Amino acid sequence: EPEVTQTPSHQVTQMGQEVILRCVPISNHLYFYWYRQILGQKVEFLVSFYNNEISEKSEIFDDQFSVERPDGSNFTLKIRSTKLEDSAMYFCASSVAANGELFFGEGSRLTVL
Amino acid sequence: KQEVTQIPAALSVPEGENLVLNCSFTDSAIYNLQWFRQDPGKGLTSLLLIQSSQREQTSGRLNASLDKSSGRSTLYIAASQPGDSATYLCAVDIQGGSEKLVFGKGTKLTVNP
Repeated sequence: EPEVTQTPSHQVTQMGQEVILRCVPISNHLYFYWYRQILGQKVEFLVSFYNNEISEKSEIFDDQFSVERPDGSNFTLKIRSTKLEDSAMYFCASSVAANGELFFGEGSRLTVL
Repeated sequence: KQEVTQIPAALSVPEGENLVLNCSFTDSAIYNLQWFRQDPGKGLTSLLLIQSSQREQTSGRLNASLDKSSGRSTLYIAASQPGDSATYLCAVDIQGGSEKLVFGKGTKLTVNP
């Protein structure tokens, strides 16, 4: 069964360092998303991406965050200068339609020291 | 702003019991509602998607209902099994907002053998 895959599964970084989280969405999906979940808290929307541009973003997704689809398969989230409060599980998701069912990856746990 | 609430926060039942998880949302202007399962430290697995025009969806032992006008959804699990132990999340896809899927905090279910 097709699935969303994410790498790395866990990354530890120092505050101020740049981090890139990678995702391979389901191949025929057109809409891509990033969410995060701080330990013990709700899953929060970060950004949605369609047709090679951001379609929606939340207040969390500030200038320190960026997304890119560098080729036909990967979808990346970059955090330019990590802060302690960026420590969270980051989930990538994809869907075939704008209001369709979302399929999530297993997540990338980011720990900022 | 859309708020999603899930009650109870935790539930412990003996194996074989039928159970109901509740989800409420404050703004009825939604495209759809999706139920997910999350195992500890893992990603989100989609269980059921109910479009705003639908009243219920069924998959195996799971049945989800939606009453959009009252802002409520329920997830019914029949004949619960220890393997059903997980956190169940409800999320709504809101209309006209800057966020894609607003999540509840979840109900942590434990099914005891």
